Amino acid sequence: NAGVMQNPRHLVRRRGQEARLRCSPMKGHSHVYWYRQLPEEGLKFMVYLQKENIIDESGMPKERFSAEFPKEGPSILRIQQVVRGDSAAYFCASSPLGAQLWDTEAFFGQGTRLTVV
Amino acid sequence: DQQVKQNSPSLSVQEGRISILNCDYTNSMFDYFLWYKKYPAEGPTFLISISSIKDKNEDGRFTVFLNKSAKHLSLHIVPSQPGDSAVYFCAASASGNTPLVFGKGTRLSVIA
Repeated sequence: NAGVMQNPRHLVRRRGQEARLRCSPMKGHSHVYWYRQLPEEGLKFMVYLQKENIIDESGMPKERFSAEFPKEGPSILRIQQVVRGDSAAYFCASSPLGAQLWDTEAFFGQGTRLTVV
Repeated sequence: DQQVKQNSPSLSVQEGRISILNCDYTNSMFDYFLWYKKYPAEGPTFLISISSIKDKNEDGRFTVFLNKSAKHLSLHIVPSQPGDSAVYFCAASASGNTPLVFGKGTRLSVIA
């Protein structure tokens, strides 16, 4: 999973600021998934993107959160006007094709730990 | 509503003994199940999987058992080693392009 790069690893934001989390998938991977892990919780699905398309955003809060995966560059998870409850670890995973390949070709990054103060 | 449940937040086992981690699910559409291992400050790493057409899958020291009628799966690690100490997540998916649904995890501590 070292091939999926997330930055920054740690991010501190004051309430009301914007947080931008980046995920560079493994080479050749065109599918990206974002998950959030709250303290003492499992990973909760947020959004699934292919290049330039949002496929499934059913797990993403309707307000303040947005995600993109442009043709060039990393996938970005953007949180506007952050609140304390946004403090969590945010993980992305990438795969070359769709969700069926979780056991063989999908890998997670090391995550970004967001702390809102 | 939690579709994947890991009811034991933690488990402590002596080195060399068997570790058994349990997972229950409620969604009968799930047909593929995976276990992930996670160390602190790292992302989850795939460990072992099983599809609903099987009831057992073995890979070295790791074996996953699936009981579809009970909607229950378990991960057996034998013999347990100190390096196995980590948080283990059970995850499930339904056919098609559906994202993984994770349980809350079980923290395994293997004591030397």
